[in-house]
Amino acid sequence: EAGVTQFPSHSVIEKGQTVTLRCDPISGHDNLYWYRRVMGKEIKFLLHFVKESKQDESGMPNNRFLAERTGGTYSTLKVQPAELEDSGVYFCASSPRGTFATNEKLFFGSGTQLSVL
Amino acid sequence: KQEVTQIPAALSVPEGENLVLNCSFTDSAIYNLQWFRQDPGKGLTSLLLIQSSQREQTSGRLNASLDKSSGRSTLYIAASQPGDSATYLCALKGKEGGKLIFGQGTELSVKP
Repeated sequence: EAGVTQFPSHSVIEKGQTVTLRCDPISGHDNLYWYRRVMGKEIKFLLHFVKESKQDESGMPNNRFLAERTGGTYSTLKVQPAELEDSGVYFCASSPRGTFATNEKLFFGSGTQLSVL
Repeated sequence: KQEVTQIPAALSVPEGENLVLNCSFTDSAIYNLQWFRQDPGKGLTSLLLIQSSQREQTSGRLNASLDKSSGRSTLYIAASQPGDSATYLCALKGKEGGKLIFGQGTELSVKP
């Protein structure tokens, strides 16, 4: 069974450009999460989809970030325009269980390393 | 606001040693706590998940404990091996939603 797939694995762009990250969750997983880790900081939550609906987007830093999950399958995270402070590793995770399941285990992708120059 | 702290930030031990990684949190109202392993350039692999009603979980040489009253969790690794070298992260699911709150991690190096 394929795991959570993210691409690209690395992206180097200039400030002001647009970048789109993609995540393919494990097949059949309704829950999809985006997290990121900026240099020297802990991994932080960005948002949570249940199927195609945004369940919680409280972690999105500002309106330069747009996440979509059309059809409830793969998800994209677009940063437009990118700023220097957006550099970091963006992780996607998925799970088959409900949001409040005490035994919900998340499966993480390898992440996208984004560098904004 | 929930905060998760991991101590130490880095740890180096000789092969074969038993070791303990620590994780503390400020709010005991949690659904579960997970320990993850991250290898360089790789994603996070879930090692153990302890539900809020449980005290510990074991998998092979790994044992994780949870004490909500004191806001602490430990990950015990027995008979460490060089292959255990990685960053270990604890993360908990709080009662405010489905998101995980992570500590900064402990970078473990096991020397042959």
